[in-house]
Amino acid sequence: DGGITQSPKYLFRKEGQNVTLSCEQNLNHDAMYWYRQDPGQGLRLIYYSQIVNDFQKGDIAEGYSVSREKKESFPLTVTSAQKNPTAFYLCASSMLAGGLEQYFGPGTRLTVT
Amino acid sequence: AQSVAQPEDQVNVAEGNPLTVKCTYSVSGNPYLFWYVQYPNRGLQFLLKYITGDNLVKGSYGFEAEFNKSQTSFHLKKPSALVSDSALYFCAVRMAGTYKYIFGTGTRLKVLA
Repeated sequence: DGGITQSPKYLFRKEGQNVTLSCEQNLNHDAMYWYRQDPGQGLRLIYYSQIVNDFQKGDIAEGYSVSREKKESFPLTVTSAQKNPTAFYLCASSMLAGGLEQYFGPGTRLTVT
Repeated sequence: AQSVAQPEDQVNVAEGNPLTVKCTYSVSGNPYLFWYVQYPNRGLQFLLKYITGDNLVKGSYGFEAEFNKSQTSFHLKKPSALVSDSALYFCAVRMAGTYKYIFGTGTRLKVLA
């Protein structure tokens, strides 16, 4: 069954701790993306990657880090430097050519207290 | 600056009536345009896209959208709304020459029985 998985669905952390969100896809897509969703603000791009071992900052990269060691995986680390980390995080993937539409995972809701 | 606007935060429509969710864009070059739907606490699902060709695009669940180059619009439509269509709808554009997508802030559609 093809798709994108994100884990965990809910995540709770104390302020000052780093936390890593998982994103895996078996669609053989080259490009992967991380978005943050806050009420009334739509989706904001954190990082994206077009190819293994390469990634670019999006519009709100400060306080986040990523890695792309495998085509299938694009984990996001929310560091203690992120001022307001509580949000719904969405991972997506797409082909670089052809279809172009993005496929989204189910999301991870992170709550930091 | 490249942008996508969804001017209505919420649209209410009676079941069985036609619905329209508005989207306008501002990008350089030829746009790739998309509509997605999001149900509560879920990821986004792809509905339809315009890449090139016919201005009227048909998608999933009976939705369609019309690309209007002169008005830089890509409004989502459905001839007869269902209560189950109630959800959050996002318009998105892929920036020419990049693999980056810009999303609107979303429009909440409420279909009343």
